[in-house]
Amino acid sequence: KAGVTQTPRYLIKTRGQQVTLSCSPISGHRSVSWYQQTPGQGLQFLFEYFSETQRNKGNFPGRFSGRQFSNSRSEMNVSTLELGDSALYLCASSWASYGYTFGSGTRLTVV
Amino acid sequence: TQLLEQSPQFLSIQEGENLTVYCNSSSVFSSLQWYRQEPGEGPVLLVTVVTGGEVKKLKRLTFQFGDARKDSSLHITAAQPGDTGLYLCAGASTNAGKSTFGDGTTLTVKP
Repeated sequence: KAGVTQTPRYLIKTRGQQVTLSCSPISGHRSVSWYQQTPGQGLQFLFEYFSETQRNKGNFPGRFSGRQFSNSRSEMNVSTLELGDSALYLCASSWASYGYTFGSGTRLTVV
Repeated sequence: TQLLEQSPQFLSIQEGENLTVYCNSSSVFSSLQWYRQEPGEGPVLLVTVVTGGEVKKLKRLTFQFGDARKDSSLHITAAQPGDTGLYLCAGASTNAGKSTFGDGTTLTVKP
């Protein structure tokens, strides 16, 4: 069974640009969640999608958005990048509330 | 807001020693997960505990969920260098897809 696939693995962007990250969940998992991980803040919840609908949202500004497609694949977008957006962005899929399967993450560096 | 506090934040021990990591909250969770994360990778699910007082064993790792489902502990017996990593606890609410993560315990096991 293939795991959670995140692309790209690494990304360098300039302040003010926008970025789109992609996540393919485990086949059969309809829930996809996104987290931001930084050394200072730990894992912070961004949002969760279930069957193409945003079911939960964390406390991030509107520059952070996401969507889920009919095949459960998900994308997250960050517009007007700031230096503080540099982080490891993790996607996780789950079948029920018994734990996540995480991808390897996308390391975003904003310069 | 649900918060999870992990202690200790850092732990450095010699191979063969035992250790315990704690995860505490004032909130009740429907389930609690423990993950291990290595640098540059996403967290990997170790265990999910659901029932208050539940104890689960995974080889040299013993996980316990508090009777009130507000706290948990992870005990490692005879630690090995391969146990080195960031250990994260996460509490799930009844609304699947949104978990609250602790800040993690960075464990270093020296040969």
